[in-house]
Amino acid sequence: GEDVEQSLFLSVREGDSSVINCTYTDSSSTYLYWYKQEPGAGLQLLTYIFSNMDMKQDQRLTVLLNKKDKHLSLRIADTQTGDSAIYFCAESGPNTDKLIFGTGTRLQVFP
Amino acid sequence: DTEVTQTPKHLVMGMTNKKSLKCEQHMGHRAMYWYKQKAKKPPELMFVYSYEKLSINESVPSRFSPECPNSSLLNLHLHALQPEDSALYLCASSQVKGGWTGEAFFGQGTRLTVV
Repeated sequence: GEDVEQSLFLSVREGDSSVINCTYTDSSSTYLYWYKQEPGAGLQLLTYIFSNMDMKQDQRLTVLLNKKDKHLSLRIADTQTGDSAIYFCAESGPNTDKLIFGTGTRLQVFP
Repeated sequence: DTEVTQTPKHLVMGMTNKKSLKCEQHMGHRAMYWYKQKAKKPPELMFVYSYEKLSINESVPSRFSPECPNSSLLNLHLHALQPEDSALYLCASSQVKGGWTGEAFFGQGTRLTVV
């Protein structure tokens, strides 16, 4: 079955860059997403990338995809305290309504 | 408007109660989802509706009964729940574009406590 793994915890200083990593096993994954969840809240879609792309940039966010290694990363430039949250990667395949979420990475930003 | 609205925000119910969770979106999305999220865990898919028809049921116990009365509304009817069903219940919706359902937008969730 599908498996999506993330490291549990990341701590960075305010103003530094954060890199959150994700690995997945399903080679038919076609669409990959990053969601942010603040305490007690729902999930906020940050960005997504198609599997035929290597990189996508959106303001402070850069997504890198290595399809050969099934590795996805999210880089947050100039990390702020408001970026503290849990970040989930998620993947879906073609012709499916199903999103498979990673285990989530808790990002803590300290001053 | 990229909003998915869920009500209520919090719900406490007894094991013999019947209650319903509601979800609404006005983005014209034709796929709607229920997810369950336990503390410190990722969301787990429960049900998917596509064009108001149930397309995925992830072997959810029958004490959870989904309903999609129209393209904007999704309900989750709850009956005879157990304390272990306490969780954050998230609704989401997405467009259907050919073979891709599009990015999913989530509501803020209903925090359910079963006593």
